Amino acid sequence: EAEVAQSPRYKITEKSQAVAFWCDPISGHATLYWYRQILGQGPELLVQFQDESVVDDSQLPKDRFSAERLKGVDSTLKIQPAELGDSAMYLCASSSQPGQYTEAFFGQGTRLTVV
Amino acid sequence: GEDVEQSLFLSVREGDSSVINCTYTDSSSTYLYWYKQEPGAGLQLLTYIFSNMDMKQDQRLTVLLNKKDKHLSLRIADTQTGDSAIYFCAQEGRSGGYNKLIFGAGTRLAVHP
Repeated sequence: EAEVAQSPRYKITEKSQAVAFWCDPISGHATLYWYRQILGQGPELLVQFQDESVVDDSQLPKDRFSAERLKGVDSTLKIQPAELGDSAMYLCASSSQPGQYTEAFFGQGTRLTVV
Repeated sequence: GEDVEQSLFLSVREGDSSVINCTYTDSSSTYLYWYKQEPGAGLQLLTYIFSNMDMKQDQRLTVLLNKKDKHLSLRIADTQTGDSAIYFCAQEGRSGGYNKLIFGAGTRLAVHP
């Protein structure tokens, strides 16, 4: 069964260090989303890609976060420098059409702990 | 503004029905969603309902939608220990010309014998 792959599953990093997460969406899915889920809260959209283009990054803290999807397939989310408040689960999701959440699939997530 | 609210905890006995409630703000959402998250895992789409429907049933799951009150509920019949998880309600919101999902904080369902 097709699934959204994320790595690593867990990451511990010291504050002020750089950290990166990787996501491989379901084959053929043009839309890719990165969500952040702080413990005890629901996921919040950080960035949405349509193919290789960013279509929504209004909630992305651009002073320290960056996201890219160079070939319109897999994607990397980077944080530099990491802060204690960045500790959270980072979820990637993909769908065949933008905003088509009835057919969106989420990955297992990367749990980041900043110490 | 956009907001989705849920109660945080629900405890039920195995075999009973569970009802998880949600209120939302954006009446323009085309669909409303219920997701399940098991410990340490990502989100699994459980079910969704089209905004012009009042009810949708899918095996043990029943979704009720009251558009007037902007109230959504998820009923799980014959709740099992495997149903223990966090359940998120989500509505659609517009951002940058595209839909995005806006989630509630989640309801933690605990099923006990």
